Amino acid sequence: DTGVSQDPRHKITKRGQNVTFRCDPISEHNRLYWYRQTLGQGPEFLTYFQNEAQLEKSRLLSDRFSAERPKGSFSTLEIQRTEQGDSAMYLCASNRDYQPQHFGDGTRLSIL
Amino acid sequence: DQQVKQNSPSLSVQEGRISILNCDYTNSMFDYFLWYKKYPAEGPTFLISISSIKDKNEDGRFTVFLNKSAKHLSLHIVPSQPGDSAVYFCAATGGINAGNMLTFGGGTRLMVKP
Repeated sequence: DTGVSQDPRHKITKRGQNVTFRCDPISEHNRLYWYRQTLGQGPEFLTYFQNEAQLEKSRLLSDRFSAERPKGSFSTLEIQRTEQGDSAMYLCASNRDYQPQHFGDGTRLSIL
Repeated sequence: DQQVKQNSPSLSVQEGRISILNCDYTNSMFDYFLWYKKYPAEGPTFLISISSIKDKNEDGRFTVFLNKSAKHLSLHIVPSQPGDSAVYFCAATGGINAGNMLTFGGGTRLMVKP
C-alpha cells in the first residue's frame, strides 16, 4: 500500500524566491488537502480538492499561494515571493469521501 | 479563536498504566472527531475516530469518549507502551465543512516511561 508521497522533504530557499512542492496522493483517493504546520501547533487547513476541482481555500492562503491538481491526480503547491513567515511544514493529505484523511510526511520549508 | 483545544502540552505516564489525553471544542457544528499520532519527521497517522451519534469507540488499546454536552472528548490508551510516545492531535470536522477540512488542536506530547 503506497501512502501519500511528498517531494521534496526539505526545501531551503532565500526570501523572495518562488518554491513549488508536489504531493502524490493514494491512488484511489479523490480528495486531496494541503495543511501548514508551524512549531508547537497543530496542522492548519490551507486548501482542498475534489478530483481536479479546488473547492475550498482558507484565508491563510494569500495571493502568493497557488495550488493545482491537474487531471485529479498529483497536486502542486506554489509559493511566490517567499517571506520569513512562510517557514513551516507543509502537509498533504488524501482520502475517499468521508474516510479519515491520510497524511504524507510533509515538506519542511526554511526561508533564509 | 481556537475551535479545538488540547490544554495539556505534555503528559508523562509509566509503561502499563493508562494514558488519558483530553480535547475540548467550541464549534457545535462539529460532528466527527479524530485522533492522530505523530512521530518526529513523519506526518500524522490516523488512530481512531468517533461520530457524534456515539459516545464511545474502541479499537484495541485505544478508546475515544465523546461528551457532546460538555464539548469534550478524550483518548484512553490502556496499557500504555513506550512505542506510544508521540505527539497526539485531536481533530474535528462537521457542518458545512463536513468531509473536507479538519480543525486540529495544538497537540499533546505523550511520554511513556519504561
